[in-house]
Amino acid sequence: TQLLEQSPQFLSIQEGENLTVYCNSSSVFSSLQWYRQEPGEGPVLLVTVVTGGEVKKLKRLTFQFGDARKDSSLHITAAQPGDTGLYLCAGERGGSNYKLTFGKGTLLTVNP
Amino acid sequence: DTAVSQTPKYLVTQMGNDKSIKCEQNLGHDTMYWYKQDSKKFLKIMFSYNNKELIINETVPNRFSPKSPDKAHLNLHINSLELGDSAVYFCASSQSQGQGAFFGQGTRLTVV
Repeated sequence: TQLLEQSPQFLSIQEGENLTVYCNSSSVFSSLQWYRQEPGEGPVLLVTVVTGGEVKKLKRLTFQFGDARKDSSLHITAAQPGDTGLYLCAGERGGSNYKLTFGKGTLLTVNP
Repeated sequence: DTAVSQTPKYLVTQMGNDKSIKCEQNLGHDTMYWYKQDSKKFLKIMFSYNNKELIINETVPNRFSPKSPDKAHLNLHINSLELGDSAVYFCASSQSQGQGAFFGQGTRLTVV
């Protein structure tokens, strides 16, 4: 059973379009993080959200943590080819002793 | 300066061999991890150490033995390598729970 479900698994869009990636679970998380991974590299942390309902913005990226702290979304406005990569959500549960559980990722391709 | 560095980046070896991957972080973090990323890009935690103490051992075969000589280093030794061990192994570190992890660039292990 996958603890964190990400959707869609693959997304191919044109430059300038908007998109949303979802990360859902039936479990409550004390924090949720989003990472981007490019080929041949390790995941790079984009944001951490810890409070239910929290919204964080990073330039054209908007991250939201669900009120119940079970889900999160990543919205990209006016996508650019440089946004291409594998987007991973990862959750940490209270008392989990530093265990970060990852979703399976969304592979985003932004075509020029 | 590389925050989390692991060596080697590529490792090709025959079945049955023993190999080690080294990891060092210069961020002053207390917690270090080893993750395995399979061919479908799914990242799964293997081990977590906090201040040189093993916190998580996620049902990894005992052919895999982590060693943390100090809190800046976490090495991974693998005995009797099997074909199924082929994957990308990532070292990571974090300061505390909920803070997000910093990943190394990965070690692509190929067992032939």
